[in-house]
Amino acid sequence: DTAVSQTPKYLVTQMGNDKSIKCEQNLGHDTMYWYKQDSKKFLKIMFSYNNKELIINETVPNRFSPKSPDKAHLNLHINSLELGDSAVYFCASSQPLGATSVVYNEQFFGPGTRLTVL
Amino acid sequence: GQQVMQIPQYQHVQEGEDFTTYCNSSTTLSNIQWYKQRPGGHPVFLIQLVKSGEVKKQKRLTFQFGEAKKNSSLHITATQTTDVGTYFCADQKTSYDKVIFGPGTSLSVIP
Repeated sequence: DTAVSQTPKYLVTQMGNDKSIKCEQNLGHDTMYWYKQDSKKFLKIMFSYNNKELIINETVPNRFSPKSPDKAHLNLHINSLELGDSAVYFCASSQPLGATSVVYNEQFFGPGTRLTVL
Repeated sequence: GQQVMQIPQYQHVQEGEDFTTYCNSSTTLSNIQWYKQRPGGHPVFLIQLVKSGEVKKQKRLTFQFGEAKKNSSLHITATQTTDVGTYFCADQKTSYDKVIFGPGTSLSVIP
């Protein structure tokens, strides 16, 4: 069984379009994330949700809007796509052990969505 | 803000040679996690180090956490073609903080 799944795997679209990427995890984790990986492999966090609530919102253009209908799902909608949005987008989940814990559970990543904006 | 750096950026080795990647932080690390991403794949968790000076081994992989908790290293003995990929270190201050990934070291193994 797939732990963290994303759809679609590939997305090719024109500049200016709006697109969505869906993510689901069946691990029972409370926290989910969206990461962007650029062509140089640099992984940067975009958003994090804990139990459907936004807890991390990095400096991301407001064209990107995450939505978490329940704690097993975190979707990413992108408006007015630009060339610079081309990247691989990874969804991930983890189970936090508590705000004061110094041992954190690992992040489980989805397979990624390769977005190409033409 | 905190910066997590890794060197080298790329490493090409002959199969059977050893490989080491180094991770350094501008601030004290709470813990260090290591991930491996195969070409075309997604990052996969390898290990977490928490204690100052900690050393952990996984078969041919040896992970170290610096005494001052500002650096870490991953050493692979006798590389194999299955070791090809990008190795990332990552830090997270608390469970609800963002995970900060280093830029990664891409390893190529020449058979």
